[in-house]
Amino acid sequence: EAQVTQNPRYLITVTGKKLTVTCSQNMNHEYMSWYRQDPGLGLRQIYYSMNVEVTDKGDVPEGYKVSRKEKRNFPLILESPSPNQTSLYFCASSTLGTGNYGYTFGSGTRLTVV
Amino acid sequence: AQTVTQSQPEMSVQEAETVTLSCTYDTSENNYYLFWYKQPPSRQMILVIRQEAYKQQNATENRFSVNFQKAAKSFSLKISDSQLGDTAMYFCAFMRISRTGNQFYFGTGTSLTVIP
Repeated sequence: EAQVTQNPRYLITVTGKKLTVTCSQNMNHEYMSWYRQDPGLGLRQIYYSMNVEVTDKGDVPEGYKVSRKEKRNFPLILESPSPNQTSLYFCASSTLGTGNYGYTFGSGTRLTVV
Repeated sequence: AQTVTQSQPEMSVQEAETVTLSCTYDTSENNYYLFWYKQPPSRQMILVIRQEAYKQQNATENRFSVNFQKAAKSFSLKISDSQLGDTAMYFCAFMRISRTGNQFYFGTGTSLTVIP
């Protein structure tokens, strides 16, 4: 089954404790992206990657890091989480270029930073 | 810059009735894609329907159809014969394609409740 696998689904952590949210896709998609979803703000892009070793900032990159060492994986790293990073996070992937069918999303990670 | 506006934060509809969710966007691009995504309480983001900007014909998927007005930059979603399972947050999204890759832009969402 074609899918984006995102883990964990729920995470509660304390301020300053480094964490990683994993994301893996099995569709050989070039493009991968991380979003955060907050009430009234919709989905805002954190980082994206067009291919291996190619990453770039989205609209809200502060406090986050990513890496793309393999085509299928795109982990999101919070080096020192803070309470304002409490949010619902989505990983998504897609092909590049025309004939695009949009994103396939992961199932989301509900992160709470206390 | 591209923007996507969903002016209806919340809507409700009686079961079996028809409802239309509005979406407008702003772009200077000529080649792009438009999407509607559904997010039920399970929070999974599910693609509902897709429209290619160069196609004049409105996309349809079973009970879901769009009214795509390119000149007006409008992309509304019509849900016919509403079902309880349609209760969800709906996001309109715009995607432009460039040499530097895809760029997605999302609206802030419309929360739809289907009333039994």
